Amino acid sequence: NAGVMQNPRHLVRRRGQEARLRCSPMKGHSHVYWYRQLPEEGLKFMVYLQKENIIDESGMPKERFSAEFPKEGPSILRIQQVVRGDSAAYFCASSPGTKETQYFGPGTRLLVL
Amino acid sequence: QKEVEQDPGPLSVPEGAIVSLNCTYSNSAFQYFMWYRQYSRKGPELLMYTYSSGNKEDGRFTAQVDKSSKYISLFIRDSQPSDSATYLCACFSGTYKYIFGTGTRLKVLA
Repeated sequence: NAGVMQNPRHLVRRRGQEARLRCSPMKGHSHVYWYRQLPEEGLKFMVYLQKENIIDESGMPKERFSAEFPKEGPSILRIQQVVRGDSAAYFCASSPGTKETQYFGPGTRLLVL
Repeated sequence: QKEVEQDPGPLSVPEGAIVSLNCTYSNSAFQYFMWYRQYSRKGPELLMYTYSSGNKEDGRFTAQVDKSSKYISLFIRDSQPSDSATYLCACFSGTYKYIFGTGTRLKVLA
């Protein structure tokens, strides 16, 4: 049973470009969460999605950031016009239900030059 | 004040030592408490999951929750160099939003 998959594992972008991060949840999981981790900081909640619905995006900056989880395919975290401050590790987690344990993927490390 | 506080360390111990990792939290609504282990440049891996107060044991790991003092602990017995990692506590009120501590870096010296 494959775990949560994320790609790419590493992503380098220049300021002003777009970054697209993908997350495929574990089989049977329909709940996806995105977190951001900065060096020496814990994981910060960004957004919670179920299939085709954004449930809570309170942790996601209102500008430049968006997320989706379509009926088919992976969840996408999209960052437009990236800035150096967006450099971080972005982790996706999934669970089978709202109150169930969240399992994390290996993360995507975004570096903005 | 952060909702979940955790000493970042680093904590260095000799192989075979008992390790005690701790977090405090401020939100009385938290009912579920987790410990994740994160190796360098990897994703967090769930170690222990406990509900409400009490102890839970799994092999060399024991998780302890004291809701009266809002204090959670993870004990590692017979620590090994392979236990060297960052340990993250997480608290959860039963909705969907996990609140994480900043993590404690542990180094077990051979």
